[in-house]
Amino acid sequence: QKEVEQNSGPLSVPEGAIASLNCTYSDRGSQSFFWYRQYSGKSPELIMSIYSNGDKEDGRFTAQLNKASQYVSLLIRDSQPSDSATYLCAVNNPNTGNQFYFGTGTSLTVIP
Amino acid sequence: DAGITQSPRHKVTETGTPVTLRCHQTENHRYMYWYRQDPGHGLRLIHYSYGVKDTDKGEVSDGYSVSRSKTEDFLLTLESATSSQTSVYFCAISENLNRGGYTFGSGTRLTVV
Repeated sequence: QKEVEQNSGPLSVPEGAIASLNCTYSDRGSQSFFWYRQYSGKSPELIMSIYSNGDKEDGRFTAQLNKASQYVSLLIRDSQPSDSATYLCAVNNPNTGNQFYFGTGTSLTVIP
Repeated sequence: DAGITQSPRHKVTETGTPVTLRCHQTENHRYMYWYRQDPGHGLRLIHYSYGVKDTDKGEVSDGYSVSRSKTEDFLLTLESATSSQTSVYFCAISENLNRGGYTFGSGTRLTVV
Protein backbone atom coordinates (compact mmCIF):
# COMPACT_ATOMS: atom_id res chain seq x y z
CA GLN A 1 0.00 0.00 0.00
CA LYS A 2 1.35 3.38 -0.98
CA GLU A 3 1.90 5.88 1.78
CA VAL A 4 0.01 8.60 -0.06
CA GLU A 5 -2.58 8.03 -2.76
CA GLN A 6 -4.09 10.46 -5.21
CA ASN A 7 -6.36 9.98 -8.17
CA SER A 8 -4.07 10.59 -11.13
CA GLY A 9 -6.86 12.12 -13.18
CA PRO A 10 -6.97 13.87 -15.47
CA LEU A 11 -9.55 16.04 -13.78
CA SER A 12 -11.22 18.54 -16.07
CA VAL A 13 -13.33 21.45 -14.86
CA PRO A 14 -14.75 24.46 -16.69
CA GLU A 15 -13.37 27.89 -15.98
CA GLY A 16 -14.99 29.43 -12.92
CA ALA A 17 -15.95 26.09 -11.36
CA ILE A 18 -14.66 24.53 -8.16
CA ALA A 19 -11.93 21.93 -8.56
CA SER A 20 -11.73 19.32 -5.81
CA LEU A 21 -8.55 17.30 -5.36
CA ASN A 22 -8.29 14.49 -2.86
CA CYS A 23 -5.47 12.66 -1.11
CA THR A 24 -5.51 9.75 1.33
CA TYR A 25 -2.63 8.59 3.48
CA SER A 26 -1.86 5.40 5.35
CA ASP A 27 0.16 6.58 8.37
CA ARG A 28 -2.34 7.55 11.07
CA GLY A 29 0.39 9.43 12.97
CA SER A 30 0.97 11.91 10.14
CA GLN A 31 0.98 15.49 11.33
CA SER A 32 2.09 17.73 8.46
CA PHE A 33 0.30 17.99 5.15
CA PHE A 34 1.17 20.02 2.09
CA TRP A 35 -0.16 20.70 -1.36
CA TYR A 36 2.23 21.53 -4.19
CA ARG A 37 1.46 22.65 -7.71
CA GLN A 38 3.69 21.50 -10.55
CA TYR A 39 3.43 22.87 -14.06
CA SER A 40 4.62 20.63 -16.85
CA GLY A 41 8.41 20.62 -17.02
CA LYS A 42 8.75 22.75 -13.90
CA SER A 43 9.53 22.12 -10.25
CA PRO A 44 6.88 21.73 -7.52
CA GLU A 45 5.75 24.90 -5.83
CA LEU A 46 4.23 24.98 -2.34
CA ILE A 47 0.70 26.36 -2.29
CA MET A 48 -0.83 25.20 1.01
CA SER A 49 0.13 23.65 4.31
CA ILE A 50 -2.22 22.32 6.98
CA TYR A 51 -1.51 20.76 10.35
CA SER A 52 -4.82 20.49 12.21
CA ASN A 53 -8.27 19.16 11.41
CA GLY A 54 -10.62 21.45 9.59
CA ASP A 55 -10.35 23.96 6.81
CA LYS A 56 -7.63 26.44 5.96
CA GLU A 57 -8.27 29.09 3.37
CA ASP A 58 -5.78 31.11 1.34
CA GLY A 59 -7.27 33.16 -1.45
CA ARG A 60 -8.99 30.83 -3.90
CA PHE A 61 -7.49 27.75 -2.25
CA THR A 62 -8.92 25.82 0.69
CA ALA A 63 -7.20 22.84 2.26
CA GLN A 64 -9.31 20.44 4.28
CA LEU A 65 -7.91 17.90 6.71
CA ASN A 66 -9.70 14.99 8.36
CA LYS A 67 -7.25 12.94 10.40
CA ALA A 68 -9.87 10.45 11.55
CA SER A 69 -10.60 9.51 7.95
CA GLN A 70 -6.99 10.03 6.87
CA TYR A 71 -7.64 12.31 3.98
CA VAL A 72 -6.68 15.79 2.96
CA SER A 73 -8.24 17.70 0.11
CA LEU A 74 -7.66 20.87 -1.84
CA LEU A 75 -10.46 23.00 -3.23
CA ILE A 76 -9.76 25.58 -5.89
CA ARG A 77 -12.58 28.09 -6.28
CA ASP A 78 -13.18 30.11 -9.44
CA SER A 79 -10.77 27.86 -11.34
CA GLN A 80 -8.68 29.57 -14.00
CA PRO A 81 -6.84 28.11 -17.01
CA SER A 82 -3.62 29.08 -15.22
CA ASP A 83 -4.53 26.54 -12.52
CA SER A 84 -4.01 23.74 -15.04
CA ALA A 85 -1.17 21.74 -13.53
CA THR A 86 -0.43 18.61 -11.53
CA TYR A 87 -1.16 18.88 -7.82
CA LEU A 88 0.97 16.89 -5.40
CA CYS A 89 0.00 15.94 -1.88
CA ALA A 90 2.80 15.45 0.68
CA VAL A 91 2.50 13.95 4.15
CA ASN A 92 4.89 13.59 7.09
CA ASN A 93 4.93 11.78 10.41
CA PRO A 94 7.79 13.33 12.41
CA ASN A 95 7.72 10.47 14.91
CA THR A 96 8.61 7.81 12.37
CA GLY A 97 10.90 9.55 9.93
CA ASN A 98 12.28 12.75 8.57
CA GLN A 99 10.89 12.54 5.09
CA PHE A 100 7.74 13.63 3.40
CA TYR A 101 5.91 11.09 1.32
CA PHE A 102 4.50 12.46 -1.91
CA GLY A 103 1.58 11.22 -3.88
CA THR A 104 1.94 10.76 -7.62
CA GLY A 105 -0.20 13.81 -8.26
CA THR A 106 -3.52 14.69 -9.84
CA SER A 107 -3.51 16.36 -13.23
CA LEU A 108 -6.00 19.23 -13.43
CA THR A 109 -7.14 20.88 -16.64
CA VAL A 110 -9.29 24.00 -16.49
CA ILE A 111 -11.22 24.43 -19.72
CA PRO A 112 -11.78 28.04 -20.86
CA ASP B 1 13.82 29.42 -8.37
CA ALA B 2 14.93 32.16 -6.04
CA GLY B 3 17.61 31.12 -3.57
CA ILE B 4 18.27 27.63 -4.89
CA THR B 5 19.98 26.58 -8.07
CA GLN B 6 20.80 23.21 -9.56
CA SER B 7 23.45 22.32 -12.08
CA PRO B 8 23.54 21.03 -14.67
CA ARG B 9 19.97 21.42 -15.95
CA HIS B 10 20.35 18.58 -18.41
CA LYS B 11 22.89 15.81 -18.70
CA VAL B 12 23.32 12.73 -20.84
CA THR B 13 25.85 10.22 -19.62
CA GLU B 14 26.90 6.69 -20.37
CA THR B 15 26.23 3.65 -18.21
CA GLY B 16 29.00 3.06 -15.72
CA THR B 17 30.28 6.62 -15.55
CA PRO B 18 30.22 8.70 -12.37
CA VAL B 19 27.94 11.73 -12.29
CA THR B 20 27.72 14.56 -9.79
CA LEU B 21 24.79 16.93 -9.51
CA ARG B 22 25.09 20.15 -7.58
CA CYS B 23 22.60 22.07 -5.50
CA HIS B 24 23.44 25.56 -4.26
CA GLN B 25 21.33 27.67 -1.91
CA THR B 26 21.61 31.25 -0.75
CA GLU B 27 18.87 31.01 1.93
CA ASN B 28 21.09 29.61 4.70
CA HIS B 29 18.53 26.87 5.33
CA ARG B 30 19.70 24.00 7.49
CA TYR B 31 17.94 21.19 5.63
CA MET B 32 18.64 20.12 2.07
CA TYR B 33 17.18 17.19 0.15
CA TRP B 34 17.62 15.28 -3.06
CA TYR B 35 14.54 13.77 -4.68
CA ARG B 36 13.98 11.94 -7.91
CA GLN B 37 10.74 12.11 -9.84
CA ASP B 38 9.59 9.31 -12.11
CA PRO B 39 6.25 8.68 -13.80
CA GLY B 40 4.05 6.50 -11.63
CA HIS B 41 6.26 6.92 -8.58
CA GLY B 42 6.05 10.57 -7.78
CA LEU B 43 8.78 12.24 -5.80
CA ARG B 44 10.99 9.92 -3.78
CA LEU B 45 13.64 10.96 -1.30
CA ILE B 46 17.21 9.87 -2.07
CA HIS B 47 19.23 11.53 0.69
CA TYR B 48 18.89 14.54 2.89
CA SER B 49 21.15 16.70 5.03
CA TYR B 50 20.49 18.34 8.37
CA GLY B 51 23.74 20.25 8.56
CA VAL B 52 27.30 20.42 7.30
CA LYS B 53 28.65 16.88 7.05
CA ASP B 54 25.36 15.52 8.48
CA THR B 55 23.43 13.40 6.03
CA ASP B 56 21.01 10.50 6.11
CA LYS B 57 19.48 8.06 3.65
CA GLY B 58 16.05 8.33 2.18
CA GLU B 59 13.71 5.88 0.56
CA VAL B 60 15.78 5.18 -2.59
CA SER B 61 19.41 5.74 -1.60
CA ASP B 62 21.04 2.69 -3.22
CA GLY B 63 23.56 3.73 -5.87
CA TYR B 64 23.75 7.31 -4.65
CA SER B 65 26.00 9.19 -2.26
CA VAL B 66 25.91 12.77 -1.05
CA SER B 67 28.21 15.30 0.52
CA ARG B 68 27.70 18.61 2.23
CA SER B 69 30.93 20.42 3.05
CA LYS B 70 29.33 23.88 3.22
CA THR B 71 25.90 25.04 4.31
CA GLU B 72 25.10 26.27 0.82
CA ASP B 73 26.15 23.25 -1.24
CA PHE B 74 24.72 19.71 -1.39
CA LEU B 75 26.18 17.32 -3.94
CA LEU B 76 24.58 14.14 -5.24
CA THR B 77 26.87 11.55 -6.81
CA LEU B 78 25.94 8.55 -8.87
CA GLU B 79 29.03 6.42 -8.46
CA SER B 80 28.37 4.29 -11.56
CA ALA B 81 25.33 5.44 -13.45
CA THR B 82 22.75 2.90 -14.58
CA SER B 83 19.79 3.26 -16.93
CA SER B 84 17.43 2.92 -13.95
CA GLN B 85 18.81 6.22 -12.68
CA THR B 86 17.46 8.08 -15.67
CA SER B 87 15.14 10.55 -13.99
CA VAL B 88 14.48 14.13 -13.08
CA TYR B 89 16.35 15.08 -9.93
CA PHE B 90 15.14 17.86 -7.67
CA CYS B 91 16.98 19.50 -4.84
CA ALA B 92 14.90 21.07 -2.08
CA ILE B 93 15.60 23.20 0.97
CA SER B 94 13.68 23.91 4.16
CA GLU B 95 14.14 25.85 7.39
CA ASN B 96 12.38 23.26 9.51
CA LEU B 97 12.50 19.50 9.28
CA ASN B 98 8.80 18.71 9.39
CA ARG B 99 6.98 22.02 9.01
CA GLY B 100 6.92 24.83 6.54
CA GLY B 101 7.31 22.85 3.35
CA TYR B 102 10.09 22.81 0.80
CA THR B 103 11.43 25.15 -1.83
CA PHE B 104 12.51 23.15 -4.85
CA GLY B 105 15.22 23.86 -7.35
CA SER B 106 14.52 23.82 -11.07
CA GLY B 107 15.59 20.21 -11.47
CA THR B 108 18.17 18.25 -13.44
CA ARG B 109 17.05 15.96 -16.20
CA LEU B 110 19.53 13.08 -16.29
CA THR B 111 19.58 10.50 -19.05
CA VAL B 112 21.79 7.44 -18.74
CA VAL B 113 22.37 5.69 -22.08
